[in-house]
Amino acid sequence: EVLLQQSGAELVRPGSSVKISCKASGYTFTDYYMHWVKQRPEQGLVWIGRINPANGNTVYAEKFKSKATLTADKSSNTAYMQLSSLTSEDTATYFCTTWGWGYWGQGVMVTVSS
Amino acid sequence: DVVLTQTPPTLSATIGQSVSISCRSSQSLLHSNGNTYLHWLLQRPGQSPQLLIYSVSRLESGVPNRFSGSGSGTDFTLKISGVEAEDLGVYYCVQGTHAPYTFGAGTKLELK
Repeated sequence: EVLLQQSGAELVRPGSSVKISCKASGYTFTDYYMHWVKQRPEQGLVWIGRINPANGNTVYAEKFKSKATLTADKSSNTAYMQLSSLTSEDTATYFCTTWGWGYWGQGVMVTVSS
Repeated sequence: DVVLTQTPPTLSATIGQSVSISCRSSQSLLHSNGNTYLHWLLQRPGQSPQLLIYSVSRLESGVPNRFSGSGSGTDFTLKISGVEAEDLGVYYCVQGTHAPYTFGAGTKLELK
């Protein structure tokens, strides 16, 4: 069974950074891109970017190029997303998804507040 | 970036009613490899999105066959033939042909 298990909710200060994880199981981690998606409260879905876990190659949406950094650890089948210089605009749920949008993590709620 | 325009934004339906959602793209979603990467997702309240239809018309495993997708180029439709209570939520189209990948704004399906 394919599972994407994401890390827990985060409460972080403005200006800080946060790194969230997405541990994959039930399939060959390096066979499929991992995408990251943002959803602000009561709003729609926004694509952040994707990583090829086989070689670490990344593609980002323009507005996230200086905000998000995607990495992947093949040894632990885990994808990571670091968000930097956090503001209230970054308060959202962040999902990882793979296998052509067929599998999704449960989402990580990141709250940016002082 | 490709803009996906979904209509209607809200849909009220009774149980058993058939409904359709439109997704129009600002440019063709036909990839140079011959595939069209237009997919449909459902997000139930408080849940992660789930894939219903991929590549325009292919039903994801485990999804009821009352869901169907059609279209080509820039114009796509999701049809639900006989709405059931479990179908309530927000439907999104998403394109994976042109990076950056983009989502439609969503269509909220409610009970009338």
